[in-house]
Amino acid sequence: EAEVAQSPRYKITEKSQAVAFWCDPISGHATLYWYRQILGQGPELLVQFQDESVVDDSQLPKDRFSAERLKGVDSTLKIQPAELGDSAMYLCASSRQGPDTQYFGPGTRLTVL
Amino acid sequence: GENVEQHPSTLSVQEGDSAVIKCTYSDSASNYFPWYKQELGKRPQLIIDIRSNVGEKKDQRIAVTLNKTAKHFSLHITETQPEDSAVYFCAASIIQGGYQKVTFGTGTKLQVIP
Repeated sequence: EAEVAQSPRYKITEKSQAVAFWCDPISGHATLYWYRQILGQGPELLVQFQDESVVDDSQLPKDRFSAERLKGVDSTLKIQPAELGDSAMYLCASSRQGPDTQYFGPGTRLTVL
Repeated sequence: GENVEQHPSTLSVQEGDSAVIKCTYSDSASNYFPWYKQELGKRPQLIIDIRSNVGEKKDQRIAVTLNKTAKHFSLHITETQPEDSAVYFCAASIIQGGYQKVTFGTGTKLQVIP
């Protein structure tokens, strides 16, 4: 069964450093989502792609966060500079076009010291 | 935008009893309602979903009901087992601008006591 892949699984960094996360969605899934999840809370959408285009980045802190999906397949989320409050789980998900199930990757646990 | 409320935030039941989690949504145009189970440190995984043209769906011990008029949907787990212990999230999905927009509830931590 195909799964969403993410790397790294864990990342520890110091504040003001740059970090990058990678996501490879399920083949054929046009929609890709990046979420941030703080322990005990629901996933919060950061950015959503339809193919290579950003369709929703209203909750993305654009002064420090950026995301790209250049060829409409895999995606990278970057934080520069990282802040203490960025410590969280970063989840990637993908789905087919239309109202459909989201499949989540294993996530990247970020700790900012 | 869409607002999804989920209750209760925590739920403890004895093994073998039933558990019910309720969600309400605000946008009547929402047409797809998935439920996800997230075990500690793991990814959310779909356990059941329902579309707006259906009132109820069942899969073994799990069922979901949808009341479009009242704009609420519920997850029912019967004969609960310790492995059902996890955080459960509801979500409501709407098509806006040609793409799916998903809003999650705040989660319910279910504890099944052996």
